[in-house]
Formats: sequence, structure tokens, C-alpha cells
Amino acid sequence: AQKVTQAQTEISVVEKEDVTLDCVYETRDTTYYLFWYKQPPSGELVFLIRRNSFDEQNEISGRYSWNFQKSTSSFNFTITASQVVDSAVYFCAPAGPISNFGNEKLTFGTGTRLTIIP
Amino acid sequence: NAGVMQNPRHLVRRRGQEARLRCSPMKGHSHVYWYRQLPEEGLKFMVYLQKENIIDESGMPKERFSAEFPKEGPSILRIQQVVRGDSAAYFCASSPSQQGLGQYFGPGTRLTVT
Repeated sequence: AQKVTQAQTEISVVEKEDVTLDCVYETRDTTYYLFWYKQPPSGELVFLIRRNSFDEQNEISGRYSWNFQKSTSSFNFTITASQVVDSAVYFCAPAGPISNFGNEKLTFGTGTRLTIIP
Repeated sequence: NAGVMQNPRHLVRRRGQEARLRCSPMKGHSHVYWYRQLPEEGLKFMVYLQKENIIDESGMPKERFSAEFPKEGPSILRIQQVVRGDSAAYFCASSPSQQGLGQYFGPGTRLTVT
């Protein structure tokens, strides 16, 4: 079983500022995946990134970057040079354990509502 | 390459009626997950299915809710005798059989019980 804490309920930043969304998770699984999803005002869920627990290499993809620290059970997400279109609710979600059975049910946090002010 | 499709997008039911929500996974995906999102809350896992099999239904309410994923056709989430508390957005997600590639979500069905 997993648990996710996204302590930031709402964040507002001015366009072009950088913003980091925090995620702390708890899991008893020794192997697991971590995901970030975005839910814009239109309501659909957009897959952003996945990481597995073996891979602590952080990554940058365009304006997005991720910081995975297994020792502190954190998986933070940063948007640089934010844009109005980034306004959405962002969910962090672990899934595990990694196994041959394929069950990757996601445990969602309560989300962080990000508003980018033009 | 169509994504995950859900229909209807909006469904209104009176208390006591049945609601049927449909989900067609992405082409090539054999795993389907259903999640429920209550107003102002995160998503909660309900059930995980593969073709003709329910693998994990640990998140399903004990009564009135059922799900299936037949050999042919979409996955169906069925809610019998709906109550106001069932009003929510129901999302379906699909993934390929290989683990770790992420789940791709449909647009959701917004159920309103009057």
C-alpha cells in the first residue's frame, strides 16, 4: 500500500517564474514506479513522467525537470519559465510493487492546484 | 491512433436507476483500470481488469458496483441503484501488458445523480 503527501494545496506564480511541486510518498514495496499526471481545467488527465525506484537519475525534458530522492522518499517536479497553459492540478502517484503480474494501480495524492498568473 | 475512449462523457441518472459507463482502451492495450474522482478530491483506484478477468477489485464498493472487460467490446463499469453520493467523475485508464509504461487516461464520465 502506498500513501502520497502533496503538502502544497495551491500555488500561484507569475508567468515565466519557476515553480517546484513537492511530493513525498510512503510505500512498503521495495520496488515501485512513480508518476506525475496533470489535470487541466478541461478535466482530462495527462501523463507527464514515470520513474522506477531503481533509477534515481534526475531528468530534464524541455521546461520540466524531476528530482527523485529515494532516501527521503521525495519525487519533486519543477517547471521552469512557467506559462499560463501550465495552470492545472498536478498529481503525484506511486504504483507498486514492480512484478510480473502487471498491476500498476496508482495511488494519487490530493493534488496541487497550480495557477500561472499572466 | 485513438486514445482511450469513454462514453458517455456526461450521464445524469435519478436515484435508484442504473448507470453504465463504457471504456475502450487504446489499441494494443490489454489492461484497464477504473478510478473515481469525487469533487475536489484526488482519484481513487476502483478496479483493475484484463480481458475476461478481474485482477484487483480492492477499491470497489462492496455493493451495487461491478465491472467487466469482455473478450470483445469495451470495459463496462456498472452502478446499480445509484445514490447521490455516486456523483463523481469516473476515469478509465489503459496500459500495455509490459509494466512501467504508464497508464493513459480517457476523458472521464461525469455522473450526476439527481
